[in-house]
Amino acid sequence: GAVVSQHPSWVICKSGTSVKIECRSLDFQATTMFWYRQFPKQSLMLMATSNEGSKATYEQGVEKDKFLINHASLTLSTLTVTSAHPEDSSFYICSAGLAGGQDTQYFGPGTRLTVL
Amino acid sequence: AQSVTQLGSHVSVSEGALVLLRCNYSSSVPPYLFWYVQYPNQGLQLLLKYTSAATLVKGINGFEAEFKKSETSFHLTKPSAHMSDAAEYFCAVSENQAGTALIFGKGTTLSVSS
Repeated sequence: GAVVSQHPSWVICKSGTSVKIECRSLDFQATTMFWYRQFPKQSLMLMATSNEGSKATYEQGVEKDKFLINHASLTLSTLTVTSAHPEDSSFYICSAGLAGGQDTQYFGPGTRLTVL
Repeated sequence: AQSVTQLGSHVSVSEGALVLLRCNYSSSVPPYLFWYVQYPNQGLQLLLKYTSAATLVKGINGFEAEFKKSETSFHLTKPSAHMSDAAEYFCAVSENQAGTALIFGKGTTLSVSS
């Protein structure tokens, strides 16, 4: 089946620094990827839709200047948390699908971000 | 707007007992409904999805769910729980059958005791 990977799986950083999280579709091309955020004991919240070669579409309430998304190729999307603060500590999960997003989405294993 | 409500944040059953995880949805358009499972420190895995083809949907690992429009429900069941079923379960709704831009419920933690 389709596999989506994320790197790193866990990152700890100091407040004020930036952190980049990668999401890769390993055995298929994904023109659309999605980024979710999951706080402890809570559900996943869609942050943004990442389209290859174009600007990401952000959900209401998500700061696009803080959460920079780049979808430079059909197999890679990156999420950069800029000037991270402790309240940004969360579990970040990406998903990707075949056929330009018109098929089942496959989720990555997630990246746990802890900001000190 | 679409939303999902999962009743019960924690469900405990004995091994071999019936599993019932509740999910109710709200949608202004015909919904596509999904159940995902998340094991500790892992990503989400699709259990099953409803795409209007059949109201009773069978998924992996012996799980199934029934879409009931009159009750706006999509409860997940399994006749006999196994220890390996212990995980977090999420119900989700989407406007399309691909499940893009999913709206998730808050999740239900299933514990299975021997």
